[in-house]
Amino acid sequence: DAKTTQPTSMDCAEGRAANLPCNHSTISGNEYVYWYRQIHSQGPQYIIHGLKNNETNEMASLIITEDRKSSTLILPHATLRDTAVYYCIVRVSSGNTGKLIFGQGTTLQVKP
Amino acid sequence: ETGVTQTPRHLVMGMTNKKSLKCEQHLGHNAMYWYKQSAKKPLELMFVYNFKEQTENNSVPSRFSPECPNSSHLFLHLHTLQPEDSALYLCASSQNRDQPQHFGDGTRLSIL
Repeated sequence: DAKTTQPTSMDCAEGRAANLPCNHSTISGNEYVYWYRQIHSQGPQYIIHGLKNNETNEMASLIITEDRKSSTLILPHATLRDTAVYYCIVRVSSGNTGKLIFGQGTTLQVKP
Repeated sequence: ETGVTQTPRHLVMGMTNKKSLKCEQHLGHNAMYWYKQSAKKPLELMFVYNFKEQTENNSVPSRFSPECPNSSHLFLHLHTLQPEDSALYLCASSQNRDQPQHFGDGTRLSIL
């Protein structure tokens, strides 16, 4: 699975959009981009995933560049409860062993 | 509520004790996982079970013994642990190994 690079930390004002970047320059054609987050004292929570098209669900939007070498997770209206560590993970689309490789992630602090 | 329940939430044990961690999922998933999260380190996959069969052991010491009696339950039996085994142990499940994983909130384990 390809490696990802994320900023260590970011701040965002409550009510504003939080844009979390992720670089995955060695991504292969059959690898998806997954996003999870981990709120303090809880287990990781799945947010969204995509292959090459932009995706949106009730939690967030995922924007993947045309060359697929980077992506951005967008929380459209951040709240204090969105303060968490956000993980960007790349994994193959099928034939998985089930292994998710977590990095250090981005610690997002949403401020009042 | 993620549909994945772990008990106990906290456990303190001596190095010579034997204890077990329990995970139960009510999602009808076929794959289950154990992860370890040590302080200041990324989550590390320990074991993967698919349809009750162990398919991955990520070089985990034998003092950790997993058991999967059915697709809804996963145990981690602990014996003669070391202080460095103190960590948050997380269980996850997914429909199959290609699908997003749903995590429990973990068991915080402290070894005295």
